[in-house]
Amino acid sequence: EAQVTQNPRYLITVTGKKLTVTCSQNMNHEYMSWYRQDPGLGLRQIYYSMNVEVTDKGDVPEGYKVSRKEKRNFPLILESPSPNQTSLYFCASRQTGGARLGPQHFGDGTRLSIL
Amino acid sequence: GESVGLHLPTLSVQEGDNSIINCAYSNSASDYFIWYKQESGKGPQFIIDIRSNMDKRQGQRVTVLLNKTVKHLSLQIAATQPGDSAVYFCAEIHDNQGGKLIFGQGTELSVKP
Repeated sequence: EAQVTQNPRYLITVTGKKLTVTCSQNMNHEYMSWYRQDPGLGLRQIYYSMNVEVTDKGDVPEGYKVSRKEKRNFPLILESPSPNQTSLYFCASRQTGGARLGPQHFGDGTRLSIL
Repeated sequence: GESVGLHLPTLSVQEGDNSIINCAYSNSASDYFIWYKQESGKGPQFIIDIRSNMDKRQGQRVTVLLNKTVKHLSLQIAATQPGDSAVYFCAEIHDNQGGKLIFGQGTELSVKP
């Protein structure tokens, strides 16, 4: 089954304690992306990756890092989490460009609470 | 700036009626538009898409209409069912800008039995 898998689904942690949210897709998609979803602000892009070893900032990259060492994985790293990063996070993937342009497929989300 | 927005934040319809959810976008250079459905506790789920060279596309019980003249997108759901209750987002992609996906705020559809 084609899917995007995020882990963990829920996490409560404290300010300053480094955490990583993993994302994996099994569709051989080149493009992967992270979003956060906040009430009244909708979905906003944090980082995206066009392919292995290629990452770029989205609209709200401050406080986040990503890496893309393998095509299927795109972890989101919070080196020193702060309460304003409490949010619902989604990972997504899609094929890229031209005739292969297609919709992004989303994971089921990770709810982070930073105390 | 670039934006994709929705005319109505909430929509309540009777089961069996047709639903129409509207969306306005501001960037005439957008290549591609998508409608997503998001149920509580889940990620956005793809419903239907349309490319900028099309005016209309139909799926199973859903139709998307694109009016490039007024930069308007709509999602029509025929014979709305209780399972259609969710938040619906329109989104646009600028493929020449790294495939950036711009989402609208969402419309919550409530289906009354």
